[in-house]
Amino acid sequence: KNQVEQSPQSLIILEGKNCTLQCNYTVSPFSNLRWYKQDTGRGPVSLTIMTFSENTKSNGRYTATLDADTKQSSLHITASQLSDSASYICVVSLYYGGSQGNLIFGKGTKLSVKP
Amino acid sequence: DAEITQSPRHKITETGRQVTLACHQTWNHNNMFWYRQDLGHGLRLIHYSYGVQDTNKGEVSDGYSVSRSNTEDLPLTLESAASSQTSVYFCASSESGDGYEQYFGPGTRLTVT
Repeated sequence: KNQVEQSPQSLIILEGKNCTLQCNYTVSPFSNLRWYKQDTGRGPVSLTIMTFSENTKSNGRYTATLDADTKQSSLHITASQLSDSASYICVVSLYYGGSQGNLIFGKGTKLSVKP
Repeated sequence: DAEITQSPRHKITETGRQVTLACHQTWNHNNMFWYRQDLGHGLRLIHYSYGVQDTNKGEVSDGYSVSRSNTEDLPLTLESAASSQTSVYFCASSESGDGYEQYFGPGTRLTVT
C-alpha cells in the first residue's frame, strides 16, 4: 500500500533554533517528493520538489534531503522564526507516464516556534 | 497576479441537500484537483481533471461529482450531503506534465448537520 509517514507528529522549538522533520515513504512507482507548508486556515504552499536523482534542495532557510534508496526524506529548518509555525506536509507523487499522477500526502508535522 | 479562489469559504448545509463548491483559477492551468482534509488523515484526492471535458475519480470519489466546461473552473458537487462529508475542501491546479507544483486555494469548510 502506498503510504507516507511523518515524524514527529508535533514539535515545539524556541525561536532561532534549528529543527529537522522526517518523512518515510512506501510509494511505487515513485516520481517525485514534495514538501509543503500549511499555515492554519490556509491551503498548502509548496516549498520544494525533488526527483529521485536529486538528494538536496534548498529554499531559503528550508533544506530538503532525499535518499531514494532508503525511501527517506527530511526537511531542515535553520534559524527558526515565529512565522515558521505551521504544519509541514511530505507528499510523494506517483509516476503516471509523464502526466501528473496522484499525490500521496503524509499527515504532517505540526511545528510551533515559541519566542 | 494569477490566483486560485474558492467559494464559499464556509458553508453549513443539511443532510440530503445538494451542495456545489466553486473553484476558479486564473493560472490557465490544464490540471485541476479537489481534495478533502480531515483530522487524522492527509489530504485525499476526490476528483481531478487534465483539461476541458476530462474528469477522473480519485481515492474518495463516492458521493461527489465534477464537471469541466472551461479551463478556469472545476465545481465540486455533493449530490446528497452526508455528515461524513463534513470536512475542509481544497482545490488545486498545476501545469500539465509531471513535476510541476500544485497551487492550492484557501479552502472551503463544509459542515453537514
